[in-house]
Amino acid sequence: DSGVTQTPKHLITATGQRVTLRCSPRSGDLSVYWYQQSLDQGLQFLIQYYNGEERAKGNILERFSAQQFPDLHSELNLSSLELGDSALYFCASSVGPGVAYEQYFGPGTRLTVT
Amino acid sequence: TQLLEQSPQFLSIQEGENLTVYCNSSSVFSSLQWYRQEPGEGPVLLVTVVTGGEVKKLKRLTFQFGDARKDSSLHITAAQPGDTGLYLCAGGNAGGTSYGKLTFGQGTILTVHP
Repeated sequence: DSGVTQTPKHLITATGQRVTLRCSPRSGDLSVYWYQQSLDQGLQFLIQYYNGEERAKGNILERFSAQQFPDLHSELNLSSLELGDSALYFCASSVGPGVAYEQYFGPGTRLTVT
Repeated sequence: TQLLEQSPQFLSIQEGENLTVYCNSSSVFSSLQWYRQEPGEGPVLLVTVVTGGEVKKLKRLTFQFGDARKDSSLHITAAQPGDTGLYLCAGGNAGGTSYGKLTFGQGTILTVHP
């Protein structure tokens, strides 16, 4: 158990819909990262927040957005869902903002878009 | 765009054999991490290497970071069925707009047969 929690574990929804994935970092960690894992693209970095502020952005679509709240939990919002958005979404957390700080991954949310 | 290439993509061996997984890039990374992931779970951090030429050992696993910090290898001695899983390398850079971003390789699926 990494100490990072993600809800829900599984999510099935239809194309065009909007969903919200939630992540609670390990106690004491200020940085949260979101990753997408699919069979064809592998594990792709989406976005990073540190203490409530956006720190780094990766291959995140405009239909996707995220935020980190004052209690440090984070939410990833996915809208206008397409079949290709079906994937595993992971949240990771670390103590500090840079890559010198080790990232610990949650169990993931499996999103299926039908 | 920084890329990490892992080889081999698939590895199927018998218990007791040795194996090496390679992670190569044309880019320099400030740190490199190795993760192991089991089906339906998040990646679990095995090791972080930060110094060119660094070698770290974790029981039967030996990790090496190349002198130029562009490549890494994972060597497993006397593999056991419990080593079965997806092995991922991930590189990070300390500064700029990629502050906390990790670039992942495509992974090596290892199967160790009893």
